[in-house]
Formats: sequence, structure tokens, C-alpha cells
Amino acid sequence: AQKITQTQPGMFVQEKEAVTLDCTYDTSDQSYGLFWYKQPSSGEMIFLIYQGSYDEQNATEGRYSLNFQKARKSANLVISASQLGDSAMYFCAIYTDKLIFGTGTRLQVFP
Amino acid sequence: DADVTQTPRNRITKTGKRIMLECSQTKGHDRMYWYRQDPGLGLRLIYYSFDVKDINKGEISDGYSVSRQAQAKFSLSLESAIPNQTALYFCATSGGSGGVKETQYFGPGTRLLVL
Repeated sequence: AQKITQTQPGMFVQEKEAVTLDCTYDTSDQSYGLFWYKQPSSGEMIFLIYQGSYDEQNATEGRYSLNFQKARKSANLVISASQLGDSAMYFCAIYTDKLIFGTGTRLQVFP
Repeated sequence: DADVTQTPRNRITKTGKRIMLECSQTKGHDRMYWYRQDPGLGLRLIYYSFDVKDINKGEISDGYSVSRQAQAKFSLSLESAIPNQTALYFCATSGGSGGVKETQYFGPGTRLLVL
């Protein structure tokens, strides 16, 4: 069975600083996808970034990058130059035949 | 216009009532999903459908049923609502066929309160 672990219930970061949100996963499948979603206080789930298990390069999308360490089974999200609007819950998820979510990390960006 | 819409956005109902949550999408995706979100538990899969004739149970299907009326429409029913079904419900869609095409796109959610 697949599992996602997000060990940081909450994180604080100052505006314009970078922050790393941790995600470790467990799966016996060789082919899988890793996703990060953002959930602002308004409640919607916003797709941020995707990393395939066979991708050799770390994924990047604007200020978001994914630090993928396959041997360690980790897929940490790095947000560069944090903005106040980045304050939200962040969920890591793994897909093999279903999408399994972690319990999330609440990020708060302060001025 | 939003690609994935859910109605209603908020609903208060009483224990024992039957309610239906509806989801429509204009993304042209074949795959549709229903999740619920409880505080501290992330999202959990209730049901999913890979095409109009395909319905599958997810992790927590007890107490729920679904109907896939068309490629673009997928509804979730609570036959007899109970208070522990109070949650935020999400519909999602994906194109499928591997890799980044498995990305799921979510509707805005329905907040359900069962009294």
C-alpha cells in the first residue's frame, strides 16, 4: 500500500525567504507520480507541481521546485521567495493506481 | 468559467435525510473522483469512475453511492446522512494514461453539515 508522510504540521517563514516542506513516501511500485497541492483558506485544492518516478531532473514550476531523492523516498517542495499569498495548507500526494494524500503542512508567511 | 463545478457549495441537513452532491466538468476528462476531507486527515477517496460505465469503491465508500450520468457529470449521494459525514467534499477529474496526465483537478468543494 502507498503512504505519504508529512511530518511538519506547521511552518513559519518570513516573506522573501525560501522554505522547504517535507514529504516522504512509501510504495513498492517502480512507476509512480508525486504531486503537491496548495489549499488556501478559501478551501480549493490547487495543483502545484508533478514529479514522475523516472524523471531524472527535479521538477520546477515558477517559484516551486521539487527536491526529489528517490533512494530516500523523499519529495520535498521548495518555495523560493515566499509571498504572503503562499500562506496555506500544502499537501503531498502519490499516485500509482489511486491518489493518496498526506495530512498536510500549514505554511504561514509573515512580513 | 471554472473547469470543475460542484453544487451545492454549502449544505446543512438533518440526520437521516438523503442528499445529493453534484459535480460537472468541462475539461473533457474521462476520470472523475469523489473525496472527503476531515480536519487533520487529508483527503480520502470515496468513489471513482474511469468512464461512464465504470464505478469503483474507494477507501471509505460505506454510506455513500454515486452515479455517473455522463462523461461530464458525477454525483455523490448520502442515502441517510449521519453526523460523522460532516466534512468538506471534493470532486476531481483527470485525463489518465500515465505520468503528468494523472494530475487531478479539483472542484471548489462542498461543505456539508449533518445535524
